[in-house]
Amino acid sequence: GDSVTQMEGPVTLSEEAFLTINCTYTATGYPSLFWYVQYPGEGLQLLLKATKADDKGSNKGFEATYRKETTSFHLEKGSVQVSDSAVYFCALQSYGNKLVFGAGTILRVKS
Amino acid sequence: DTAVSQTPKYLVTQMGNDKSIKCEQNLGHDTMYWYKQDSKKFLKIMFSYNNKELIINETVPNRFSPKSPDKAHLNLHINSLELGDSAVYFCASTQHRTGQDPYFGPGTRLTVL
Repeated sequence: GDSVTQMEGPVTLSEEAFLTINCTYTATGYPSLFWYVQYPGEGLQLLLKATKADDKGSNKGFEATYRKETTSFHLEKGSVQVSDSAVYFCALQSYGNKLVFGAGTILRVKS
Repeated sequence: DTAVSQTPKYLVTQMGNDKSIKCEQNLGHDTMYWYKQDSKKFLKIMFSYNNKELIINETVPNRFSPKSPDKAHLNLHINSLELGDSAVYFCASTQHRTGQDPYFGPGTRLTVL
């Protein structure tokens, strides 16, 4: 079945450091891909998405490119802030429009 | 206006009790979902309803019974609660076949003592 694999956390960075969170997927066809963010004590917010190969999703300084050849959708940000501390989930859209999530990666940014 | 709302936000109860969580969306979507997030933050689909019909049931114990009285509501009833049911339950909605992004509710934190 469809699955998503994310790098394990927690990832701890200093403010203004470069962020990469790896995400790879296994799926039939070419599903839409998403990054969701969950701030402490809150629900899930859509951060960005890409619907086809070579699409780049971007939002709030975060970017991810849909790479069909490597089945990847890595999340990047050039300069993280303390306020970016959260759990980040990579997901793909499977049959019935359900989302299949990765295990989540905790990001901690220190000032 | 809240797009997807859930009640209650927190629910603390004893083992063996029966409880319900409610979800409502005002987006006009035709498909709604329940997801469970366990203590390790892992998120997994439980159920999906499209136009009040069950379309996804991911091997969830039959103590869990979803009910969709109309397209805008999807409730989750849990019988004989167990310790392992403690989790955050998220409702979500989308419009089928349009490529719309799924919208998530704020979650209901269930604690079974």
